[in-house]
Amino acid sequence: DAKTTQPTSMDCAEGRAANLPCNHSTISGNEYVYWYRQIHSQGPQYIIHGLKNNETNEMASLIITEDRKSSTLILPHATLRDTAVYYCIVRSYYGQNFVFGPGTRLSVLP
Amino acid sequence: NAGVTQTPKFRVLKTGQSMTLLCAQDMNHEYMYWYRQDPGMGLRLIHYSVGEGTTAKGEVPDGYNVSRLKKQNFLLGLESAAPSQTSVYFCASREGAAGDKNIQYFGAGTRLSVL
Repeated sequence: DAKTTQPTSMDCAEGRAANLPCNHSTISGNEYVYWYRQIHSQGPQYIIHGLKNNETNEMASLIITEDRKSSTLILPHATLRDTAVYYCIVRSYYGQNFVFGPGTRLSVLP
Repeated sequence: NAGVTQTPKFRVLKTGQSMTLLCAQDMNHEYMYWYRQDPGMGLRLIHYSVGEGTTAKGEVPDGYNVSRLKKQNFLLGLESAAPSQTSVYFCASREGAAGDKNIQYFGAGTRLSVL
């Protein structure tokens, strides 16, 4: 599975959009991009995933560049409860497990 | 719908003691996983199972054993606990093999301290 690179930490003002970048320059054609988050040592929570098209659900939007070498997770109106560590994971279509790197620690500030 | 349930939530062991962590899922998922998470780090895969009666090693399997006698349960055993096994343990399950069914759902974790 391709390796990902994320910033160590980010801040965002409450009510503003939070844009979390992820670099996955070695991604291959059959690999999906997944985003999870972990709130204060709870179990990781699935957010969204995509292959090459942009995706949106009730939690977030995922923007994948045309060359698929990077992506951005967008939380449109961040709240204090969105403070968490966000993990960007790339895995193949039949991949068995997720490789969780250190992720990005997002702090939403009042 | 409880999802993925882990028991116990907390445990303190002395070096050399044994224990079993239980993971139960009520989503009829085929695949189940055990991860450990050390402070400030991401999750690392210990063992996983692709179906009832099957198990396989992950990234850090040493010192652990697992069993999947029933589809809904995945047990993680520590035969002789060591301080290096102090960690938070997460169980996860997922529905199917590929693509859009390749989403893992996690339990709340078991916090284990080995003194």
